[in-house]
Amino acid sequence: KAGVTQTPRYLIKTRGQQVTLSCSPISGHRSVSWYQQTPGQGLQFLFEYFSETQRNKGNFPGRFSGRQFSNSRSEMNVSTLELGDSALYLCASSPGHVEETQYFGPGTRLLVL
Amino acid sequence: AQSVTQLDSQVPVFEEAPVELRCNYSSSVSVYLFWYVQYPNQGLQLLLKYLSGSTLVKGINGFEAEFNKSQTSFHLRKPSVHISDTAEYFCAVSFHKAAGNKLTFGGGTRVLVKP
Repeated sequence: KAGVTQTPRYLIKTRGQQVTLSCSPISGHRSVSWYQQTPGQGLQFLFEYFSETQRNKGNFPGRFSGRQFSNSRSEMNVSTLELGDSALYLCASSPGHVEETQYFGPGTRLLVL
Repeated sequence: AQSVTQLDSQVPVFEEAPVELRCNYSSSVSVYLFWYVQYPNQGLQLLLKYLSGSTLVKGINGFEAEFNKSQTSFHLRKPSVHISDTAEYFCAVSFHKAAGNKLTFGGGTRVLVKP
């Protein structure tokens, strides 16, 4: 089975721009979660989508949004980028139940200048 | 609210020596517990998880962890490390019977294996 894929792998943007990141889950997985990883704050949960519905949300401002398509692929969008949004964005997929393993992609490294 | 504390931010260890990475959690409800490893420039890979049952959990690459409910701990151990174990290790928890997937991570422990 192919693993979780994320595109692009690297991205450079300037303050005020917006960005869209994509995540393709493992085939058959219906849950996609997004995490932000920074040296200062560590790994923080952004949100989770399950069957095209947001099922869980972390404590991030409304500039961070996401969606999930009928094929379970997910996108996250960050509008009005700030320098502090520079981070590694990881997505994870799972079949859907909380006790099931979440499989992580390699991440998208975003640099905001 | 639940939280996870990894007591050591960095652990240097010699090759073939044992290593223990400490993890304590705080939660008012029952949790599932996980250990993930992150190699440089990669995502996270699951080492092992505790859902219920035996408190000693064996994982991949020779790692094991023990769940201690009274001490709210889930320490990770390996009896003999290899150079290839150099990585960052994350402890994480999620709620039992949660409405969805949400992992709360500790701050991570960097393990540097020296020859």
